[in-house]
Amino acid sequence: AQKVTQAQTEISVVEKEDVTLDCVYETRDTTYYLFWYKQPPSGELVFLIRRNSFDEQNEISGRYSWNFQKSTSSFNFTITASQVVDSAVYFCALSEANTGFQKLVFGTGTRLLVSP
Amino acid sequence: DGGITQSPKYLFRKEGQNVTLSCEQNLNHDAMYWYRQDPGQGLRLIYYSQIVNDFQKGDIAEGYSVSREKKESFPLTVTSAQKNPTAFYLCASSPLGVNTEAFFGQGTRLTVV
Repeated sequence: AQKVTQAQTEISVVEKEDVTLDCVYETRDTTYYLFWYKQPPSGELVFLIRRNSFDEQNEISGRYSWNFQKSTSSFNFTITASQVVDSAVYFCALSEANTGFQKLVFGTGTRLLVSP
Repeated sequence: DGGITQSPKYLFRKEGQNVTLSCEQNLNHDAMYWYRQDPGQGLRLIYYSQIVNDFQKGDIAEGYSVSREKKESFPLTVTSAQKNPTAFYLCASSPLGVNTEAFFGQGTRLTVV
């Protein structure tokens, strides 16, 4: 069965600190997709990144970076020089290719609080 | 602008009543989904649909029903059989295929009074 674990329930940092959000997943499929979504206080989930299981290259987008390691089944998310606007709940999710479409299994989320 | 619209934003229901949550998308996506979010439990899939007039149960479908009469619309009915309906409900849509991402609405917060 698929499972996504986000062990960090809540993280508090001061602005400009770097912060890493952990994500560990379980799947028996060899082809799968991993995602990160941001949920600001307004409630909607905002897509951040999608990564397929065959692409282990790390990705950087501005202050955001992602580290995908199949050997440890992890897909961690780092925010560099955090800002107050980064305060939100962040979800890691998994989708298996054999479903034929987007059927997401979510972690329980990590609430990030960035204070000035 | 293209997007997903959920209404209402807040909904109050008396025990024993059925209520319907609206979800409309203008992204021309084939697939639509309903998720339930509870504190500390992340999002769980209630129902999903890949095509008009067809839908499948997700992980927690008991006490819920859906319809998909139009491509743009996927309303969710929370029936009186749902024992603990108070939650935040999120609707999403995506193109078919797995190498895509889902887009989410702003959610409906349902409270039983």
